[in-house]
Amino acid sequence: QQQVKQSPQSLIVQKGGISIINCAYENTAFDYFPWYQQFPGKGPALLIAIRPDVSEKKEGRFTISFNKSAKQFSLHIMDSQPGDSATYFCAASPYNTDKLIFGTGTRLQVFP
Amino acid sequence: DAGITQSPRHKVTETGTPVTLRCHQTENHRYMYWYRQDPGHGLRLIHYSYGVKDTDKGEVSDGYSVSRSKTEDFLLTLESATSSQTSVYFCAISAGLAGVSREQFFGPGTRLTVL
Repeated sequence: QQQVKQSPQSLIVQKGGISIINCAYENTAFDYFPWYQQFPGKGPALLIAIRPDVSEKKEGRFTISFNKSAKQFSLHIMDSQPGDSATYFCAASPYNTDKLIFGTGTRLQVFP
Repeated sequence: DAGITQSPRHKVTETGTPVTLRCHQTENHRYMYWYRQDPGHGLRLIHYSYGVKDTDKGEVSDGYSVSRSKTEDFLLTLESATSSQTSVYFCAISAGLAGVSREQFFGPGTRLTVL
């Protein structure tokens, strides 16, 4: 049962461009929405996270946009760099739990 | 990197054999998790633990069991491995809701192949 749907599956962006990855969730009882970044051969690592009481969070070149009414959130990577090439996972945590439900992942490739 | 190690890092085994994967942490975090990662499925929770001897099932727990006898160790056992259990297994830890953040820290993974 996929409660967090992520798209696209893969994304190719030119250096300096904007990368946008989208996620939609079905359960309204989520209260924490992180994005994880994974490089080949490594475990995922937290990139940025947001709670539903804000509509946007920015950390450097990475921004999460959150639309509570539409039950959607997205990751924007500004000025994408080849070093950003990785797989990105969105996730959602049910209210007052420590569990995460992950999306299926987006493989981002940034070409020079 | 958070102090998480997984062993073995790679394993090839045959169908029907038992397999145990170990996760060891040095962070003294209360929560530990086992995930499997498969193409097209992302990361799926197998089992998790919220304290010594306190464990619960995740989304894909069939065919797996876990044990946690010490804070630092969380074992995942495949009682009788099947080819469908070929995957990359990740252990994760977190301080839980009581922590400053709800961040989960992941280990380096174990690649398991069941022939």
